[in-house]
Amino acid sequence: AQKVTQAQTEISVVEKEDVTLDCVYETRDTTYYLFWYKQPPSGELVFLIRRNSFDEQNEISGRYSWNFQKSTSSFNFTITASQVVDSAVYFCALSEAPLGTASKLTFGTGTRLQVTL
Amino acid sequence: DVKVTQSSRYLVKRTGEKVFLECVQDMDHENMFWYRQDPGLGLRLIYFSYDVKMKEKGDIPEGYSVSREKKERFSLILESASTNQTSMYLCASSLDDRSSYNEQFFGPGTRLTVL
Repeated sequence: AQKVTQAQTEISVVEKEDVTLDCVYETRDTTYYLFWYKQPPSGELVFLIRRNSFDEQNEISGRYSWNFQKSTSSFNFTITASQVVDSAVYFCALSEAPLGTASKLTFGTGTRLQVTL
Repeated sequence: DVKVTQSSRYLVKRTGEKVFLECVQDMDHENMFWYRQDPGLGLRLIYFSYDVKMKEKGDIPEGYSVSREKKERFSLILESASTNQTSMYLCASSLDDRSSYNEQFFGPGTRLTVL
């Protein structure tokens, strides 16, 4: 069975600090995708990134970066120079291989990030 | 831009009532999903559909049913609402992904309270 663990329930940082959100996953599939979503206070989940299991290159998008390490089954998310607008709940998710139907996402329990001035 | 809309942001119902939650997407996506979100539990899949009139159970289907009569609309039905169904309900849609794993696009959620 697929499993995603986000051990950090809540993180508080002061603006401009760097912060890393951890994500560890379990799967028996050799082909899979990993996702990060952001849920701001408004409630709607916003897609941030998708990474497939064959691509271990790290990715950077502005202040956001992702570190995918298959050897440790981790897909960590770092925000550099955090801002108050980064305050949200962040979810890591794993996509199960489709078996003739839609692929399903298994979500972690989320990490609430609070950025204060 | 993908748009997923849900019929209500907030809903209050009484125990035993039949409850309908509606979700509509405007991007011609084949797949649609219903999740519930509870503190400390993350998002859990209730049901999903990969085509009109097709549905499959997710991880927690008990007490729920779904209907997909048109491609753009996916309804979640609570036949007899109970207090333990008080939760945030999120609808999502995605392109058919037999060969890739497309991201899901989410609606704003419906916060349902059952008294």
